[in-house]
This record gives sequence, structure tokens and C-alpha cells, in this order.
Amino acid sequence: SQQGEEDPQALSIQEGENATMNCSYKTSINNLQWYRQNSGRGLVHLILIRSNEREKHSGRLRVTLDTSKKSSSLLITASRAADTASYFCATDHDYKLSFGAGTTVTVRA
Amino acid sequence: ETGVTQSPTHLIKTRGQQVTLRCSSQSGHNTVSWYQQALGQGPQFIFQYYREEENGRGNFPPRFSGLQFPNYSSELNVNALELDDSALYLCASSPHLAGGDEQYFGPGTRLTVT
Repeated sequence: SQQGEEDPQALSIQEGENATMNCSYKTSINNLQWYRQNSGRGLVHLILIRSNEREKHSGRLRVTLDTSKKSSSLLITASRAADTASYFCATDHDYKLSFGAGTTVTVRA
Repeated sequence: ETGVTQSPTHLIKTRGQQVTLRCSSQSGHNTVSWYQQALGQGPQFIFQYYREEENGRGNFPPRFSGLQFPNYSSELNVNALELDDSALYLCASSPHLAGGDEQYFGPGTRLTVT
């Protein structure tokens, strides 16, 4: 079973716009991580936020975590065509990662 | 590109056969995890190895088994293949077992069972 659920399932935006996706989870976590996957290939780690953190930035990425609501959001600012990919949240509990089904983001030129 | 490699890239097997998938972890990493990703789904945790010992297993039957070698590379073996085993198999390594590390994923092995 999958711990996390991303919302929306799919997102289409114009180049230069921001993209926001959300993740909800069910159990307590050590940290929450976001990964990107291009065309069914390996996953690339984007950002990790620990359970005692509320917000984290990395370049054009901004992640928030609300442990009281068991939810997280990923914001990609000033999107580019190269950001077209599937994005997954993964909760780290007892050293194992549990992934959601992902959000597919398409950035139109 | 991570330093994690997997072989083979693609594989086609017949139902009932057995398959072995291989993974070389990134240098300095002693923990390897295996995931199964069905089409359109997120990766599902199969099991994890830490210093050659299994350190946890997901909801997969015993016909999914693994090994980790002294150089921390790893194998995933699947016996009595079923059609539903068709998926992308991903391995990921991390520096140590302590929680809070990102995992470094390989490019995956695409297994098709006919």
C-alpha cells in the first residue's frame, strides 16, 4: 500500500508559471522527500525536509511540511520545459521510503 | 547521474521462469533498497539490505529474494515469474542506515513477463 498521495494527478502549465503539488500521508515520519522521474527512468532526489522543519528551499524549489495535517507541498517557480516529469513524495518511516502515485507535470513552451 | 548502476536495462521473461537483477551501489554506500514500480504507479518498497543483512521487507511474497555482497552490490531474484511482475525495478543506495538520508537511485531494469 502507498503511504503518500499526491494531488493533482496531472498538471499542465505554461513555461514561466509556477507549479504546486501536494502530498498527504497517514503515519508518523522521520522526514519527507521529493523525487523527480523523467520518462520511466530512475528517480532523482530533489529535496528532503525533516519532521521538525516547516519549510525548505532549494533553488527554484520550495517545500513545506505540516505534520499536524500530515501534508506537504512542493512549489516549482518559473517553470521550464526541462521540469516536465513525474514528481513523487516519499515518506521516510523506519528508514523505508513509501511513495505516492505521483503528479505528472507538463510544461508547455 | 548517480553512481548507482543496474543491469540489465531491459529483460523479457516467460511466466514461471526465474530472473536475477543486479545493482552496484554508489561508492561508500552500505545500504541498498529495491523497489518495484508498475506502470503509472509510484515505487513500492520490496526490501532493504544493510551490510549484507536484510533490514526490512515490504509486502512481497517469498519468491522475491535478495543478496548483498561484501562490496555492497546487490541482487534481486524473482522465482516463478507472474505476469503482474512486469514492472520497472529500481535499486537505491544510501550512505548508512540511520534515518534521514536521501536515496540514490539507479536507472532501473524494465522487466516484461509474457
